[in-house]
Amino acid sequence: DADVTQTPRNRITKTGKRIMLECSQTKGHDRMYWYRQDPGLGLRLIYYSFDVKDINKGEISDGYSVSRQAQAKFSLSLESAIPNQTALYFCATSDLETRQGTYNEQFFGPGTRLTVL
Amino acid sequence: AQTVTQSQPEMSVQEAETVTLSCTYDTSENNYYLFWYKQPPSRQMILVIRQEAYKQQNATENRFSVNFQKAAKSFSLKISDSQLGDTAMYFCAFMNIAGNMLTFGGGTRLMVKP
Repeated sequence: DADVTQTPRNRITKTGKRIMLECSQTKGHDRMYWYRQDPGLGLRLIYYSFDVKDINKGEISDGYSVSRQAQAKFSLSLESAIPNQTALYFCATSDLETRQGTYNEQFFGPGTRLTVL
Repeated sequence: AQTVTQSQPEMSVQEAETVTLSCTYDTSENNYYLFWYKQPPSRQMILVIRQEAYKQQNATENRFSVNFQKAAKSFSLKISDSQLGDTAMYFCAFMNIAGNMLTFGGGTRLMVKP
């Protein structure tokens, strides 16, 4: 079974609709992230969370909101979807940094392809 | 804020040959991490190799190696003995010490030709 799962894998919706993308992980990691991928721009950070009570905006948070329901679950919402939010969305997780200089790899989910018409 | 630039949108290489992908970055930090990720058509993000900025020795992972030039803020990826399965998008990424953000370059699409 995959350690980081995302649902749905693909979604087509209409302008103005509310949509939620869900991420679950079985790695026991505290840190979770949402990224957006557009062609030619790589991945950009939308929101991140270091624990259940911690939510932080990333580079491109406008038009998005998140909810950390539990250590293992981190959802991304588009309250009123617009066409320029059409993109590939990735969830990622990582462990806490345990000591100075420790590297903490981010593990990515399979991605959700969202199309807003 | 950090920026990462990959100046080669597309590259191709013959199977069994060697190819080098370029990456430059800009940061005011002294300690950080650098990564190369591979994204095949399945779109899964796969970590290829990482480099800690405080280590002078270039990282290697089997056929993959990097040329890390800290002063020049350059981090290139060399793929030796290219295989058809290496065909993918490759992303260079920067992570600050706090580990709270990965900053990605725009990617290089690599095609390995038989």
